[in-house]
Amino acid sequence: EADIYQTPRYLVIGTGKKITLECSQTMGHDKMYWYQQDPGMELHLIHYSYGVNSTEKGDLSSESTVSRIRTEHFPLTLESARPSHTSQYLCASSKENTEAFFGQGTRLTVV
Amino acid sequence: QQQVKQSPQSLIVQKGGISIINCAYENTAFDYFPWYQQFPGKGPALLIAIRPDVSEKKEGRFTISFNKSAKQFSLHIMDSQPGDSATYFCAASKRAGGYQKVTFGIGTKLQVIP
Repeated sequence: EADIYQTPRYLVIGTGKKITLECSQTMGHDKMYWYQQDPGMELHLIHYSYGVNSTEKGDLSSESTVSRIRTEHFPLTLESARPSHTSQYLCASSKENTEAFFGQGTRLTVV
Repeated sequence: QQQVKQSPQSLIVQKGGISIINCAYENTAFDYFPWYQQFPGKGPALLIAIRPDVSEKKEGRFTISFNKSAKQFSLHIMDSQPGDSATYFCAASKRAGGYQKVTFGIGTKLQVIP
């Protein structure tokens, strides 16, 4: 069982609110990722990090931001949530050139 | 533009039957081809993976067949069981800077009926 945790699992929030989705891994992996997955659709990479103090944008443009102050922690923040941000957000981590381990995801609904 | 094309999008198989999911890719720079299994409410979990120097890989009831010249690969689930009911994603990855960039297929929702 991969040790990567996401909280909250489900979040319903009003438009305009600031939210932070938490992701933590205890495997010591340098590389961490955030994917966005809409129902019945493929996963799209929105952010990734090589290691502490490194963050990059992924393939899919996102209004969210990320930070990597500690190896084990990779939170994602939306400054002002909108209904278009409603989706499932999946965090993952990996060692060098190995498979990614995924968290259980956060299902976000913005009303 | 989908870099990894996956089909079918949904599949219903009788218990004990063979489930077959197909994927095709364009970019010859891809060098690692994992399959992920995702149950409802869970994140994807690695099921089996193959590198392009191998034509087939088998792990239990799960087999990947890989055709490098055709740029196609497929997942076969033998003796399919109701517990195999899940969404399956094929993926292709390549080195991109300092990380392995993974591109996912659209997913196949498999239902195994008793």
